[in-house]
Amino acid sequence: GAVVSQHPSWVICKSGTSVKIECRSLDFQATTMFWYRQFPKQSLMLMATSNEGSKATYEQGVEKDKFLINHASLTLSTLTVTSAHPEDSSFYICSARGRGKTPLHFGNGTRLTVT
Amino acid sequence: AQTVTQSQPEMSVQEAETVTLSCTYDTSESDYYLFWYKQPPSRQMILVIRQEAYKQQNATENRFSVNFQKAAKSFSLKISDSQLGDAAMYFCAYRSQNSGGSNYKLTFGKGTLLTVNP
Repeated sequence: GAVVSQHPSWVICKSGTSVKIECRSLDFQATTMFWYRQFPKQSLMLMATSNEGSKATYEQGVEKDKFLINHASLTLSTLTVTSAHPEDSSFYICSARGRGKTPLHFGNGTRLTVT
Repeated sequence: AQTVTQSQPEMSVQEAETVTLSCTYDTSESDYYLFWYKQPPSRQMILVIRQEAYKQQNATENRFSVNFQKAAKSFSLKISDSQLGDAAMYFCAYRSQNSGGSNYKLTFGKGTLLTVNP
């Protein structure tokens, strides 16, 4: 079946630094990718939607300058958390869809800890 | 905007028994999809079952079945013959029927943590 690879699976960074998370579709062309954030014991909250070759659409309350999303190719989207702070510590999950009425596929998620 | 409500933060069931997880939603759309996802401790999101709103027949996948009540906007998940491996967080999710771009996004409920007792 279709696979979405997310890397890294976990990362620890110091406050003030930036960290990049990659989401790759391995065997299909991902026309749209979604980035979610999940705090402990809470639900997945959509952060932004990215379409290949265009700017991401951010959900209300999500800082676009802090969470930079790039979807430069049909197989790769990246989320960069800039100037990370401890409150950005969370579990980040991407999902991707192909063309037409295809199902969504989720990555394995990235646990970010900001110290 | 659509909302999804799961009123049971936690549920428990004895192994081999049956358990039902509740989900209600609010939407003004007539065509949409509903999903149940399982998230085990690994945090991987696993699709359990999906239902198209235009279908009256309730979806079934092996031991998992749903009770879809469109008028009541209710979408419960029944797990039969519960197994230890069923223990996980279960999320109910909604998606618009329109397949274009951001309409493919999922709106999740807060989740129900299911414990299976041996």
